[in-house]
Amino acid sequence: ETGVTQTPRHLVMGMTNKKSLKCEQHLGHNAMYWYKQSAKKPLELMFVYSLEERVENNSVPSRFSPECPNSSHLFLHLHTLQPEDSALYLCASSQLTAGYEQYFGPGTRLTVT
Amino acid sequence: GNSVTQMEGPVTLSEEAFLTINCTYTATGYPSLFWYVQYPGEGLQLLLKATKADDKGSNKGFEATYRKETTSFHLEKGSVQVSDSAVYFCALASNSGNTPLVFGKGTRLSVIA
Repeated sequence: ETGVTQTPRHLVMGMTNKKSLKCEQHLGHNAMYWYKQSAKKPLELMFVYSLEERVENNSVPSRFSPECPNSSHLFLHLHTLQPEDSALYLCASSQLTAGYEQYFGPGTRLTVT
Repeated sequence: GNSVTQMEGPVTLSEEAFLTINCTYTATGYPSLFWYVQYPGEGLQLLLKATKADDKGSNKGFEATYRKETTSFHLEKGSVQVSDSAVYFCALASNSGNTPLVFGKGTRLSVIA
């Protein structure tokens, strides 16, 4: 595998479910990101990890919980979501947080019913 | 703070037409500038970049020149194809501090045969 991979690609979950999104980067990068992309809205940065430490959390509701066990893996744990959380969730990585381009995965299309 | 402004879409062009998508930025120092493309159902892909003033980034027939005097990085292509239909994002990376990429809101391009 090369680049940034995300699983699953599609997820449908009820509001009481708990699920996790997984991201893996094969680029040797030190920073990883979660973004939310909703229809008709700008790209929203949710979480930033640098060297496995969270460096930014843009006021994301606690029903989203990130985890970065090592520099290659990033998870987004989901619980008691709302229908408005339905969106495309994108993972990205970069060499460092400042000054470098990011490389994106294909995204997970999440639908909350 | 740093910001990116790009033209509102959607933009609809006929095949072989000339494309310009405007992007201007506000930043301190000397940022790096990027264009990303997002095809339907996919993540963002880096299209081209420029790291200093007067640099021209190019890829797949697309070009953009880093103009510090006008703080602009407009995307151009001489002859678009139906396969260029996508959403295009302008982005800025500061070379100082710990700030990740700043993205514009995206411009949707539709090319019709």
